Amino acid sequence: ELKVEQNPLFLSMQEGKNYTIYCNYSTTSDRLYWYRQDPGKSLESLFVLLSNGAVKQEGRLMASLDTKARLSTLHITAAVHDLSATYFCAVEGGGADGLTFGKGTHLIIQP
Amino acid sequence: DAGITQSPRHKVTETGTPVTLRCHQTENHRYMYWYRQDPGHGLRLIHYSYGVKDTDKGEVSDGYSVSRSKTEDFLLTLESATSSQTSVYFCAIRKTGAGEQYFGPGTRLTVT
Repeated sequence: ELKVEQNPLFLSMQEGKNYTIYCNYSTTSDRLYWYRQDPGKSLESLFVLLSNGAVKQEGRLMASLDTKARLSTLHITAAVHDLSATYFCAVEGGGADGLTFGKGTHLIIQP
Repeated sequence: DAGITQSPRHKVTETGTPVTLRCHQTENHRYMYWYRQDPGHGLRLIHYSYGVKDTDKGEVSDGYSVSRSKTEDFLLTLESATSSQTSVYFCAIRKTGAGEQYFGPGTRLTVT
């Protein structure tokens, strides 16, 4: 059974600081996804990581994938309030490539 | 938004009643999914479809059934709703290529 663990599950940080969210998964997979969810909204795709060593960056967010360690990271650089949201990682492993999600990291960025 | 709509967006129903949620897509994607989201659990796969009349169970399928008679519509049915099925339900489609999934706006279901 594929398991996906995120940590931390809750993070409060100040604007301007850097931080990293970690996503570990239990079985081999070459595809990992990061999503953002704002309160009461749907999920928005952030990054698609398709191979070992993949690195993607968008603004202040950077995601990486190490398939050998079964680890992905989402790094936040110089955080701003607008990045406050819940972030999910998800791994393919279900039927027809259904996704298995981590429990999410609730991120609050305070001025 | 990948042309995905869900209906209804909100529903309150009583225990024991049947409920059907609809997911509609406009881009002719082959793969469609139903997930539920609950606090502390992230999203969990209920059922999925890999084509018209081709469906299968996901991680939390007990108490749910699905049907897909047309490419554009994927229906989720709770035959006899229970309070444990109070949740937010998301439909998703999978695009070819990178395999990214795009999610609909969600349906908030409350079973009293």
